[in-house]
Amino acid sequence: AQKVTQAQTEISVVEKEDVTLDCVYETRDTTYYLFWYKQPPSGELVFLIRRNSFDEQNEISGRYSWNFQKSTSSFNFTITASQVVDSAVYFCALSEALRGTDKLIFGTGTRLQVFP
Amino acid sequence: EAGVAQSPRYKIIEKRQSVAFWCNPISGHATLYWYQQILGQGPKLLIQFQNNGVVDDSQLPKDRFSAERLKGVDSTLKIQPAKLEDSAVYLCASSLSEGQGNTEAFFGQGTRLTVV
Repeated sequence: AQKVTQAQTEISVVEKEDVTLDCVYETRDTTYYLFWYKQPPSGELVFLIRRNSFDEQNEISGRYSWNFQKSTSSFNFTITASQVVDSAVYFCALSEALRGTDKLIFGTGTRLQVFP
Repeated sequence: EAGVAQSPRYKIIEKRQSVAFWCNPISGHATLYWYQQILGQGPKLLIQFQNNGVVDDSQLPKDRFSAERLKGVDSTLKIQPAKLEDSAVYLCASSLSEGQGNTEAFFGQGTRLTVV
């Protein structure tokens, strides 16, 4: 069965601290895609990144970085020097390529609060 | 570029009443999704359309939920009759997907439904 687990329900940090959001996934497929979305208080989900199962290179985009490790089925997200604007709920999601559908299977989300 | 538009933003109804939500996807996006997000959970796919055909409705409670996408553009999601457990945010999303699982979806701000 496909499943995404985000064990951290809520994280609170002070501005400028680094924070890592954990994501562990389960799938039987060899071809799949992993995503991170941000959900600010306004409600819409904002796409942050997509990785495919064949590309384990870590990625950095400004203050954001992602660590994908197939050996541990994890796709963790790190925010460096956090800012108040980073406060939101962050979702990790899995999509399987071979089923003819783009269904995203989401984790339960991690609420990040960054205090000034 | 205009984003995904949804209306209404909020709706309160009594149980056993009916309700309808409307979604206008990003222009040119052939794929449209309806997700249900219960408080404290990640979004769950209810139905996916490719143009005006249904790709996946395996998690749509068909005894009370229905959705249509006439002319392959706008879509409506209806609940009749509503139950208390239908209280949730209903998110519409669209993408350029061709069913490969590798395309990011763009989400609207959602409709928050409260059933009392």
